[in-house]
Amino acid sequence: QKEVEQNSGPLSVPEGAIASLNCTYSDRGSQSFFWYRQYSGKSPELIMSIYSNGDKEDGRFTAQLNKASQYVSLLIRDSQPSDSATYLCAVINSNYKLTFGKGTLLTMNP
Amino acid sequence: DADVTQTPRNRITKTGKRIMLECSQTKGHDRMYWYRQDPGLGLQLIYYSFDVKDINKGEISDGYSVSRQAQAKFSLSLESAIPNQTALYFCATSDLGTGVQTLDSNQPQHFGDGTRLSIL
Repeated sequence: QKEVEQNSGPLSVPEGAIASLNCTYSDRGSQSFFWYRQYSGKSPELIMSIYSNGDKEDGRFTAQLNKASQYVSLLIRDSQPSDSATYLCAVINSNYKLTFGKGTLLTMNP
Repeated sequence: DADVTQTPRNRITKTGKRIMLECSQTKGHDRMYWYRQDPGLGLQLIYYSFDVKDINKGEISDGYSVSRQAQAKFSLSLESAIPNQTALYFCATSDLGTGVQTLDSNQPQHFGDGTRLSIL
């Protein structure tokens, strides 16, 4: 089982809709979780950090963490063309090792 | 000015050449990292350093070496470049965080703009 898994996509959503991105991880003792946005040819940009079970909201972004089920998700409300990018999930496990998923490509339907 | 600066931004070179990629940061972070990214393979960790006297190999260190010249500077060298080292290279930094132990860190990494390296 891979340490951090994401559906590679592409995930296509209509403009204005909610985009839902999911990530699962294998180490039950993982403690820190991050979402990065990466535009093509650019560097990853941190958009959300979450450390506790539940939801964390920041503007149009909501991160959701469920440690019992070992998944973390990112919701993007009112999706806009500028949200088209690859979203990377990153997890710090029980050994303090940071592992990135391979990313999910999100695209907008006009 | 960017917090994490990589130079050069683009480089084209020939097989067998020695190449150095440089990274400097103004974030005051102790920890620095080098990654490469290839299409479909995600980010792969090459080397990392937790402080000036600490260097550690990552997943794919063969063919690479690093030097941590100061807290703010971490360079990556390809001693004899080969075409399959063509990739996008990123430097990243992170803070120590609030952990008591030296290796504790729950802090995210912050990336430079990357170096696009092509080896012919």
